[in-house]
Amino acid sequence: ETGVTQSPTHLIKTRGQQVTLRCSSQSGHNTVSWYQQALGQGPQFIFQYYREEENGRGNFPPRFSGLQFPNYSSELNVNALELDDSALYLCASSGEGLAGGRGQTDTQYFGPGTRLTVL
Amino acid sequence: AQSVTQLDSQVPVFEEAPVELRCNYSSSVSVYLFWYVQYPNQGLQLLLKYLSGSTLVKGINGFEAEFNKSQTSFHLRKPSVHISDTAEYFCAVDNTDKLIFGTGTRLQVFP
Repeated sequence: ETGVTQSPTHLIKTRGQQVTLRCSSQSGHNTVSWYQQALGQGPQFIFQYYREEENGRGNFPPRFSGLQFPNYSSELNVNALELDDSALYLCASSGEGLAGGRGQTDTQYFGPGTRLTVL
Repeated sequence: AQSVTQLDSQVPVFEEAPVELRCNYSSSVSVYLFWYVQYPNQGLQLLLKYLSGSTLVKGINGFEAEFNKSQTSFHLRKPSVHISDTAEYFCAVDNTDKLIFGTGTRLQVFP
């Protein structure tokens, strides 16, 4: 148990719709990262939030957006869903962010994921 | 740019046999390396990590990994596997605020 929870567990949407996925981080963790894991692939970094501000973004279009709240919860929003958005979406929380120029890195603790299917 | 290569997509092994899962990384700077395990329909669980210091890192469930800078490798080993070790294993490198994962190795343990 990592103390990171995600909801919902599964979700089915149709092309063009919008979806919001939720994550609850470990208490005290200021950083949340979101990853997309397509079937048979490793997770791909979407973006990271540190103290409610975006702190790095991967190669994903702007229709992928996020929010982080002071109560250690966060959201991943995806607009105009496409078939290729079907994947397992993972959030991970960490204490004070990754390297961030401090020469340190902080372990990321993953939630169980949300399985999104786009029809 | 940093990258991770896991050459073996699947590794079949009999119970109680030793296993090695290979991971090679590409980086021009100091690296922090991780191994995660993913059981069916679950998220990722940290097995072990290398940040600095001793090149032999011990993790949970009897796994260990050795950081080899000259060969840019971070192979995962276990001297005797159990049926319960059947899972997907991911190697990852920290790239300034994000993890870069390999494509994973499916470890299948047979009785």
